[in-house]
Amino acid sequence: GENVEQHPSTLSVQEGDSAVIKCTYSDSASNYFPWYKQELGKGPQLIIDIRSNVGEKKDQRIAVTLNKTAKHFSLHITETQPEDSAVYFCAAKRGGGSQGNLIFGKGTKLSVKP
Amino acid sequence: EADIYQTPRYLVIGTGKKITLECSQTMGHDKMYWYQQDPGMELHLIHYSYGVNSTEKGDLSSESTVSRIRTEHFPLTLESARPSHTSQYLCASSETGNPGNTIYFGEGSWLTVV
Repeated sequence: GENVEQHPSTLSVQEGDSAVIKCTYSDSASNYFPWYKQELGKGPQLIIDIRSNVGEKKDQRIAVTLNKTAKHFSLHITETQPEDSAVYFCAAKRGGGSQGNLIFGKGTKLSVKP
Repeated sequence: EADIYQTPRYLVIGTGKKITLECSQTMGHDKMYWYQQDPGMELHLIHYSYGVNSTEKGDLSSESTVSRIRTEHFPLTLESARPSHTSQYLCASSETGNPGNTIYFGEGSWLTVV
């Protein structure tokens, strides 16, 4: 089955710097890769996603890149702000059909220091 | 904002008690999920449902049970709670029929068994 590895588990950056979180997946049939942000005491919330027919996607300060050959995808946050501090999860959709379930990475705790 | 609601948000109960965690969504989503999340951050899928009268076990074995009598409602029950059941339980839902389904999470139910 699908396995998703996420690194690093913790990341501390200064406000204004960039942050990069990386994930690898094992199932070459995976075709959907979302990123979730979980703030303290709340449920995870989708912040950006990418499908396997796209190599990069941007939304203001966040971007995701996908390398299908190497089976890895990354989240990039530029000009980080204290409110970016949270736990971030990557995920991959198992299989190619609509019935598959997301497989999540173990999460990265991002701390942005003012 | 996702229209998915969980009650109770916080619950402390004694060992051996029966508890039901409620989850409702008003988005008309067919697919619903329960995840267990420990303080170590990792999300574990314990149950999911494709629709009314459908229930499936997830990747992590759980002593809890679920039911899906109505599309919008997906309660989780523990017949006899134990301290090992202490955790956060997250309910989620998504549409089907699209390879890249966005999963919407509730705010979570924090369960402590003493």
